[in-house]
Amino acid sequence: TQLLEQSPQFLSIQEGENLTVYCNSSSVFSSLQWYRQEPGEGPVLLVTVVTGGEVKKLKRLTFQFGDARKDSSLHITAAQPGDTGLYLCAGGLANTGNQFYFGTGTSLTVIP
Amino acid sequence: NAGVTQTPKFRILKIGQSMTLQCTQDMNHNYMYWYRQDPGMGLKLIYYSVGAGITDKGEVPNGYNVSRSTTEDFPLRLELAAPSQTSVYFCASSLSSFGSYNSPLHFGNGTRLTVT
Repeated sequence: TQLLEQSPQFLSIQEGENLTVYCNSSSVFSSLQWYRQEPGEGPVLLVTVVTGGEVKKLKRLTFQFGDARKDSSLHITAAQPGDTGLYLCAGGLANTGNQFYFGTGTSLTVIP
Repeated sequence: NAGVTQTPKFRILKIGQSMTLQCTQDMNHNYMYWYRQDPGMGLKLIYYSVGAGITDKGEVPNGYNVSRSTTEDFPLRLELAAPSQTSVYFCASSLSSFGSYNSPLHFGNGTRLTVT
């Protein structure tokens, strides 16, 4: 079973377009993180959100944690080729503070 | 500052062989983790450790063993390799438990293992 489902699994867009990636679960998370992974490397943290309804912005990236802390979204404005990569959400359940559960991943390709 | 270092980068094993994937970190992090990554499945936690001498199972521990004799090192042992263990393995570390703003996971660059 997959605790965190991401959609879409694959996304190919033109440079300059906007996109949204979703991370959904039926479980409540104490916090949630987003990572980006490039080929041949490990994931690198983009953001951590801990409060239901929280919105964080990182340049052209906007992250939102759902009010019920069961879902999250990542919105990229005016995508650039440098945004290409695998985006992963990861959540920590309230009763298992030492275990992180990763989502299925969204592979993004931005075409110049 | 090297961060998290994994060796080897690639390995091919025959069914039934054993091997140890090495992981070391130089950030003095208490928490260390082993994940495997399969296409379309994200990362699955195999084992984790909250400090030297303490280890615990994650989501998919069967077929693996770990030890944590020092803060720096967290090796992953495969005793009897099976084709289902073909995957990319990532070691990670963090200063404290998941969810802290100041405690992201730091990943190594992975070990790509093929079992044939």
